[in-house]
Amino acid sequence: SFVLTQPPSVSVAPGQTATITCGGDIIGGRNVHWYQQRPGQAPVLVIYHYTRRPSGIPERFSGSSPGKTATLTIGRVEAGDEADYYCQVWDSNSDHYVFGTGTKVTVL
Amino acid sequence: EVQLVESGGDWVQPGGSLRLSCAASGFTFGSYAMSWVRQAPGERLEWVSSLSGSGGTTYTADSVKGRFTISRDNSKDTLFLQMDSLRAEDTALYFCAKSDSFSPSGYYFEFWGQGARVTVSS
Repeated sequence: SFVLTQPPSVSVAPGQTATITCGGDIIGGRNVHWYQQRPGQAPVLVIYHYTRRPSGIPERFSGSSPGKTATLTIGRVEAGDEADYYCQVWDSNSDHYVFGTGTKVTVL
Repeated sequence: EVQLVESGGDWVQPGGSLRLSCAASGFTFGSYAMSWVRQAPGERLEWVSSLSGSGGTTYTADSVKGRFTISRDNSKDTLFLQMDSLRAEDTALYFCAKSDSFSPSGYYFEFWGQGARVTVSS
């Protein structure tokens, strides 16, 4: 099975922009989705189909267009954005869902 | 408001069995695919299994295939995960999750429960 690689950690000052990448050969042509998981809580969908935001997710969260690397961008970072972030795709070759390795975002 | 409440988590010895339940409310349960996703302590999310709104189509991760069985009772708005031949590496927090589609494939996990803790240890 393939791996979706994410940077283990990203540190960002409040008010700045955090960028999280999700890379792998499987990315091209597949819809990428992103989840936020705050400490001790269940994951929350923040971006689906690369760029779409669910109701209630701030506009500060945005996703990139498809390529070999998908990107989640968090603008004007706040303390409450400190969490683990995971990308996810569906692999139609294996009929499996795959999650990325996860990125811990730390707000300095 | 969508609510997913897992139950049935427990401590069990290796080789034992456990059945998790997920009670759903706030949406038309039988119209949506449902899934189980787990997270071992300090580890990343790992997809376990998914099934269609009717329960007729299922997909299961290789790591649990042949040991775990996903099912649903649409008359009771409840999702299940039967876990047999449990191993230490199955120790995790098990989340149930709702998809935004009747089909279990190709989508995302729109809503999540808070999880049920499973510990496999002698």
